[in-house]
Amino acid sequence: NAGVTQTPKFRILKIGQSMTLQCAQDMNHNYMYWYRQDPGMGLKLIYYSVGAGITDKGEVPNGYNVSRSTTEDFPLRLELAAPSQTSVYFCASSLQGTDGRDTEAFFGQGTRLTVV
Amino acid sequence: QQQVKQSPQSLIVQKGGISIINCAYENTAFDYFPWYQQFPGKGPALLIAIRPDVSEKKEGRFTISFNKSAKQFSLHIMDSQPGDSATYFCAASTPAGFQKLVFGTGTRLLVSP
Repeated sequence: NAGVTQTPKFRILKIGQSMTLQCAQDMNHNYMYWYRQDPGMGLKLIYYSVGAGITDKGEVPNGYNVSRSTTEDFPLRLELAAPSQTSVYFCASSLQGTDGRDTEAFFGQGTRLTVV
Repeated sequence: QQQVKQSPQSLIVQKGGISIINCAYENTAFDYFPWYQQFPGKGPALLIAIRPDVSEKKEGRFTISFNKSAKQFSLHIMDSQPGDSATYFCAASTPAGFQKLVFGTGTRLLVSP
């Protein structure tokens, strides 16, 4: 198993450009998440999905969009990139356990995005 | 609004010493408290986690102590090793059936040889 795979690893965008951060997991996890990590700020939840076709906003969703057409993939779309979106983005996934509680979240290696 | 406060921001410990990182939370609905370890250029990885029905959980050299009444939990790393040098994040989530984790701001640990 590859786990959670994110592409690209690094990207520089100009202000106003758009891009899609890709995330794929091969663990058949039903839950997937996007976090951003800023220096000294910990990780903040952008969007999450509890299954294919179902997504919802997290703490900092403005400027982002997501879709979940399959269990495996959860792309994050940035429209009209702004310098405030310079950050490291992490995708994660987890599985609902048999007791209804979820198991641990597995994180990808991150995408470092710079908007100039 | 920061719901999980973590301290210290950075920590230097000698090899063989004990590293202690503390977290405090506000939301009494939190029922899952994991600690994540992150090495430079890597994603966070689950180190150890606790639920509030126990006051302590130990896995090898890593121990979580949990104080429900004080709304605090801490990570103790016994016999700290240079390979433990990393950033550690505490986190918390509510019983929503999935991990909408709220993270602390992180502690950069350096274990000197």
